[in-house]
Amino acid sequence: EAGVVQSPRYKIIEKKQPVAFWCNPISGHNTLYWYLQNLGQGPELLIRYENEEAVDDSQLPKDRFSAERLKGVDSTLKIQPAELGDSAVYLCASSLNSAGNTQYFGPGTRLTVL
Amino acid sequence: AQSVTQPDIHITVSEGASLELRCNYSYGATPYLFWYVQSPGQGLQLLLKYFSGDTLVQGIKGFEAEFKRSQSSFNLRKPSVHWSDAAEYFCAVAARYDKVIFGPGTSLSVIP
Repeated sequence: EAGVVQSPRYKIIEKKQPVAFWCNPISGHNTLYWYLQNLGQGPELLIRYENEEAVDDSQLPKDRFSAERLKGVDSTLKIQPAELGDSAVYLCASSLNSAGNTQYFGPGTRLTVL
Repeated sequence: AQSVTQPDIHITVSEGASLELRCNYSYGATPYLFWYVQSPGQGLQLLLKYFSGDTLVQGIKGFEAEFKRSQSSFNLRKPSVHWSDAAEYFCAVAARYDKVIFGPGTSLSVIP
């Protein structure tokens, strides 16, 4: 069974440019998560989806970040415009549901903003 | 507020030696507890989890963890470390239907 797929794996952009990350969760997983991981730190939740609905986006900086999960499957996370401080690894994870089920993580996208 | 503490930022052990990684949490009720491992350039992989029942939990790759309610701890152990265990280890806590909160991680180096 395929795991969580993320693309691109690496992205280098200049500040003020837009960037988008894509995630394809494990088939049948209703819950999808986007995390931000800074160097030397644990992941921090940005947004959680239950099917198409964003049920927890309290940590998402909505002035520049947006996300969508059309049809309750794939998801896209966008930053516009990017700032130097956005350089980090963006992780996507999925689980059957959010009732304490195991989260399966993708390899992440490493973003560098110059 | 919920929080997770991993007191050791970095640990170095010799191959074949035993390992214990510490984790303390602050939570209002008995939480779900997890240990994840992250190899360089990879996503996180679940080693084990505790929801209820036996406080000694067995996981993959020969790891185990013990939940101690009185100490608010969930330490990870392995009796004999292999060079391939070198990685970043994250302890995490959550409530049912709530978000998972990760600790800052402990980096493990293994000396051949």
